[in-house]
Amino acid sequence: AQKITQTQPGMFVQEKEAVTLDCTYDTSDPSYGLFWYKQPSSGEMIFLIYQGSYDQQNATEGRYSLNFQKARKSANLVISASQLGDSAMYFCAMREPNQAGTALIFGKGTTLSVSS
Amino acid sequence: DTAVSQTPKYLVTQMGNDKSIKCEQNLGHDTMYWYKQDSKKFLKIMFSYNNKELIINETVPNRFSPKSPDKAHLNLHINSLELGDSAVYFCASSRFLRLNEQFFGPGTRLTVL
Repeated sequence: AQKITQTQPGMFVQEKEAVTLDCTYDTSDPSYGLFWYKQPSSGEMIFLIYQGSYDQQNATEGRYSLNFQKARKSANLVISASQLGDSAMYFCAMREPNQAGTALIFGKGTTLSVSS
Repeated sequence: DTAVSQTPKYLVTQMGNDKSIKCEQNLGHDTMYWYKQDSKKFLKIMFSYNNKELIINETVPNRFSPKSPDKAHLNLHINSLELGDSAVYFCASSRFLRLNEQFFGPGTRLTVL
């Protein structure tokens, strides 16, 4: 079973609008971390935002916020006031500390296209 | 200041060759990783390396071997390259059991002809 599910292969948004990228996860570990990364066409993986499973408040970093709904096991990324430079692929990922290697498990990604 | 660096950025080689990709981090992290991103952009862990303990993803062929001369470096050696090895390989690093950070290198695009 997939541990990280991103159901939107592609999303389209106009400049200055907000957009939500969906992510659901599956884990039985009470302690875990959720990440969002941005991968522009140049290929690098850019860390955007992190949410810990015990964090009481939703994480925010500038125009990025993470809508964390623990009971629903969802960790959606909200980008406010979209910019042309936000056009990229976005990956949701999870890290479980008790799993061997503590590596990230990634979703399949969502391609975001921002138009003017 | 580069946090996680990889060399080379591009690697084009013939089938059957042996090649290496180097990774260095200057973050003082104690855990390093190699991920593979396939042609469909799916990212999957290949190896985790912490305090000389190697965790191998069981799906990785034994032609792939990580080598860590010290905490700041984790190189990836690939023997007898195959066409299916063509991908982008990312190195990453973090602090062991610190949940809130993992930083990636710029990636190495490997093309096997």
